[in-house]
Parts: sequence; structure tokens; C-alpha cells
Amino acid sequence: GDSVTQMEGPVTLSEEAFLTINCTYTATGYPSLFWYVQYPGEGLQLLLKATKADDKGSNKGFEATYRKETTSFHLEKGSVQVSDSAVYFCALTRMDSSYKLIFGSGTRLLVRP
Amino acid sequence: NAGVTQTPKFQVLKTGQSMTLQCAQDMNHNSMYWYRQDPGMGLRLIYYSASEGTTDKGEVPNGYNVSRLNKREFSLRLESAAPSQTSVYFCASSVRPGGNEQFFGPGTRLTVL
Repeated sequence: GDSVTQMEGPVTLSEEAFLTINCTYTATGYPSLFWYVQYPGEGLQLLLKATKADDKGSNKGFEATYRKETTSFHLEKGSVQVSDSAVYFCALTRMDSSYKLIFGSGTRLLVRP
Repeated sequence: NAGVTQTPKFQVLKTGQSMTLQCAQDMNHNSMYWYRQDPGMGLRLIYYSASEGTTDKGEVPNGYNVSRLNKREFSLRLESAAPSQTSVYFCASSVRPGGNEQFFGPGTRLTVL
């Protein structure tokens, strides 16, 4: 079945460091890919998405490129801030499924001043 | 525009008690979802409603029932709570099913003793 695998956390960085959170997926067909972010005590918010191969999603300085050849959608940011501390979830959905968002297990990011 | 709202925010139950989690959205979305979030497991879909008047099982429906009361409201009922149902529950909605952005509520933290 479809699945999403994320690097385990927590990831601890100093402010202004470069961030990469790895995400790989298994799915038949051509899934859409998403990154969601969950700040402490809140629900999930969509951070960015990509719907076809080689698309780059971007938002708030974060980027991720849909790589079909490596089945990956790694999240990157050039310079993290303390306010980026949160849990990040990679997710996919196939356009032929009626409802399912399939989530990875989440990666906690802690940014120190 | 409140988005997706959930009540209550916190709840403690004893084994065997019943309760209903409430969810409402004011975005005129057709589809609504209930997820549970457990440590290290991401989010898992319990039930969903693709449109008003329809409901279907997700990955982990056992022990739960749902009601799509109208287009705005989607409730989740635990008939006889068990400690294994201790979790954080999230409601979400989307314009339509499938590969579209889902908007999440703030969550309900449930503890079953």
C-alpha cells in the first residue's frame, strides 16, 4: 500500500542554520505531495504542495521538489528561525483515491537562539 | 471566519463511558474527516464524509461512529471508551475529496482511564 517515510527527529538546529527534512514515498500512479506543519498546541496547516513530477512547492522560505525518479519530497529552508520550531509532516494522496491523505510519522524541529 | 472548530479541547473519560466530539466548519466545504494522532504514528484516518449525507470508514474505524449532521457539522462518537482510544483527535475539511488541501481544527485531547 501507499506509505510515507520521514527522517526521525528531533532535529535540533541553531538559528540561521540550513534545514533539510527527508521524505520518501511509496505509491502507485502519480500522487500529489504535501508538507504540513503543526505548531505546539495547534492543528496542522498546509505548508506547501506539489502535484506533479519536478514541481517545486514553496512557502515562507521553505521549499520542496517532487522527485519522481527518487520518490522523494525533501523539505528545505536556507535559514531557520526560532519560530520555525514545530512538527513537520510529509503526506501524499493519489488522485484516484477518494479521500486519503497518508501521513508520515512527523519530524520535530527545535531551533535554538 | 473561524475555519474548523472542535469541542471540547480536553476530555477525561473512564473506561466504558461514552462521549461525542463535535466539529464544525464555516468554509462551505463538502468533505470532512476525523483523524487520530498518536506519538510516532502520524495521523490516521478514522472516518470521512465525502459529501453531506455520506460517511465511510477510514483506516481505524473500530470503536467509533460518526454523523454528518449537515454540511457544516461532523461528529465523532465513542460508544464505550477504551484506554486504547487515548489520543488527540483532529477534524478536517476540504472543498472536495481527494488530492486537495485539508484544513484542520485545533484538536481534542482525550484521555481514557
